[in-house]
Amino acid sequence: GAGVSQSPSNKVTEKGKDVELRCDPISGHTALYWYRQRLGQGLEFLIYFQGNSAPDKSGLPSDRFSAERTGESVSTLTIQRTQQEDSAVYLCASSLGPAAASYEQYFGPGTRLTVT
Amino acid sequence: GESVGLHLPTLSVQEGDNSIINCAYSNSASDYFIWYKQESGKGPQFIIDIRSNMDKRQGQRVTVLLNKTVKHLSLQIAATQPGDSAVYFCAENAPGENYGQNFVFGPGTRLSVLP
Repeated sequence: GAGVSQSPSNKVTEKGKDVELRCDPISGHTALYWYRQRLGQGLEFLIYFQGNSAPDKSGLPSDRFSAERTGESVSTLTIQRTQQEDSAVYLCASSLGPAAASYEQYFGPGTRLTVT
Repeated sequence: GESVGLHLPTLSVQEGDNSIINCAYSNSASDYFIWYKQESGKGPQFIIDIRSNMDKRQGQRVTVLLNKTVKHLSLQIAATQPGDSAVYFCAENAPGENYGQNFVFGPGTRLSVLP
């Protein structure tokens, strides 16, 4: 079956521009996560969606970052007025159930964002 | 290995030898643990998991050991192959509210397999 997909795979943008990153989770997965991974570093949690509950936005680093999810399908992560420190790989993951129930996360290939 | 600053700890092993990758976790309430493998340019892939009611679990060529007393997790890879070269992350999950930060990822260890 299809895994988690993300687009674009690579994005180069100029400082100050807005970018939108897309994630298509595995069908039927109610939970969706966004992470940021800087070069050579671990995963930094950004935001979590679970079903129709209010998203957990506690990991978003600033108000320039926002994310939406349509029902239990596609999610978009938007970064406004991009800065060079936003350069990273943005990973999306989905799982069959909520984080609290310890459902395994399946990761997409990531979007590599480079801000020049 | 332990994470220090911005540099991933690296473990170099000879092809055919066994590898042991270590992870110290932070939350004594964590009851579920996963090891992920991340190859260059790809997202993390699930390798093996273990729940806190176990102290050992074996998969194909991999074994995870859990020591709750000292909050330590290890991944053992038998007969390491070139294809095992990757960054390995541990993740812990603590029960509680339905929040995204229930899963906490370690900083990762880079495994380099030498010919």
